[in-house]
Amino acid sequence: QKEVEQDPGPLSVPEGAIVSLNCTYSNSAFQYFMWYRQYSRKGPELLMYTYSSGNKEDGRFTAQVDKSSKYISLFIRDSQPSDSATYLCAMSVPGANSKLTFGKGITLSVRP
Amino acid sequence: NAGVTQTPKFQVLKTGQSMTLQCAQDMNHEYMSWYRQDPGMGLRLIHYSVGAGITDQGEVPNGYNVSRSTTEDFPLRLLSAAPSQTSVYFCASSRGLAGVSNTGELFFGEGSRLTVL
Repeated sequence: QKEVEQDPGPLSVPEGAIVSLNCTYSNSAFQYFMWYRQYSRKGPELLMYTYSSGNKEDGRFTAQVDKSSKYISLFIRDSQPSDSATYLCAMSVPGANSKLTFGKGITLSVRP
Repeated sequence: NAGVTQTPKFQVLKTGQSMTLQCAQDMNHEYMSWYRQDPGMGLRLIHYSVGAGITDQGEVPNGYNVSRSTTEDFPLRLLSAAPSQTSVYFCASSRGLAGVSNTGELFFGEGSRLTVL
């Protein structure tokens, strides 16, 4: 089992839909959880970051961490065509000089 | 602020040729790394460096060489290119590995698309 699993997609939704992107993980020591967004032919950029459990909201985006289930989610409300991109989850262990562990990414397409 | 700069953006090689992908960052980051990204495989770590003069292997190091003589630069060398090295290569930097007060957030370049014929 890989440390981080992400739904492979691709995912296509109509404009205005609520999108849920998910990752599961096996390492209970992960405490930093991130979502990167990667537009076509560009490098990944950090979209959101959370520490430990709970929710974090930034505009139309909400990141949610459920450590008891080892499950993280990214919700996109009122999705726009400009949200079309590949989304990668990433996690790390604090205080252990560890590298980020990435999911494989899911490609989202929002249809006008 | 340029961030992480990669050159070239595109390159076509013949099998057996060698080349160097350049990476430079202007954020004074200690940690730099190279990834390759292939369809269905996600990002795979090739080599990384935690500071000038220090490098280490990642998940897929074979066929690649790195050195880190300065904080700013981290070139990736393909010694004898093979078709299996056709990929998109990303250089990334960070203040450091994840620690007590550092998430390990990576800043990526725009990528170098390599095709080996």
